[in-house]
Amino acid sequence: DIQMTQSPSSLSASVGDRVTITCQASQDISNYLNWYQQKPGKAPKLLIYDASSLETGLPSRFSGRGSGTHFTFTISSLQPEDIGTYYCQQFHDLPITFGGGTKVEVK
Amino acid sequence: EVQLVESGGGLVQPGGSLRLSCAASGFTFNNYNMNWVRQAPGKGLEWIAYITTTSNTIYYTDSVKGRFTISRDNAKNSLYLQMNSLRAEDTAVYYCARDAGVVVGGDFDNWGQGNLVIVSS
Repeated sequence: DIQMTQSPSSLSASVGDRVTITCQASQDISNYLNWYQQKPGKAPKLLIYDASSLETGLPSRFSGRGSGTHFTFTISSLQPEDIGTYYCQQFHDLPITFGGGTKVEVK
Repeated sequence: EVQLVESGGGLVQPGGSLRLSCAASGFTFNNYNMNWVRQAPGKGLEWIAYITTTSNTIYYTDSVKGRFTISRDNAKNSLYLQMNSLRAEDTAVYYCARDAGVVVGGDFDNWGQGNLVIVSS
């Protein structure tokens, strides 16, 4: 199975800060990588697909980049509504696997 | 508006069975592959099963293979997960997820609200 390692596991930042989350794949997954946001008690929500494509209707402060084994997700200016847990997900091989998650809090 | 509404969860004893349903509306159900994803309490996300539009291709993660069965009824716009031989480690919130990707898992673009399954004596 492809292991997806996210870092950090949690972070706390101020409104307006730039926040970056890293996801490392245990083998080359090209750009077969998505990012999801999950708010407490809610279902995950797709933010970024194919490593860098922003889902329709979402704010441009969310972005993703990377290919191969190293990927990053960035919130350019953190907003209060961005609190939640963020997950990367690979779909290069079965089983589909998710990273362990990064909990984002606002100071 | 796309809606996925799960039902059928609850408390079941170890070794027991449960059938989850996911009712779809707001889109042409038979045009989309579908998945089940679960999340144990306080833990991360785990993909468990995938089914194509015509049910001709099905995949499972190893931990549920032989115990869980994914199926769909396009006439009823519904997705199902039959869970047998349940174990304590199957305790989780179960989500159905629409797959808009070209490849398996390429784009879980809509999710149900989640349905809690508790396996305990």
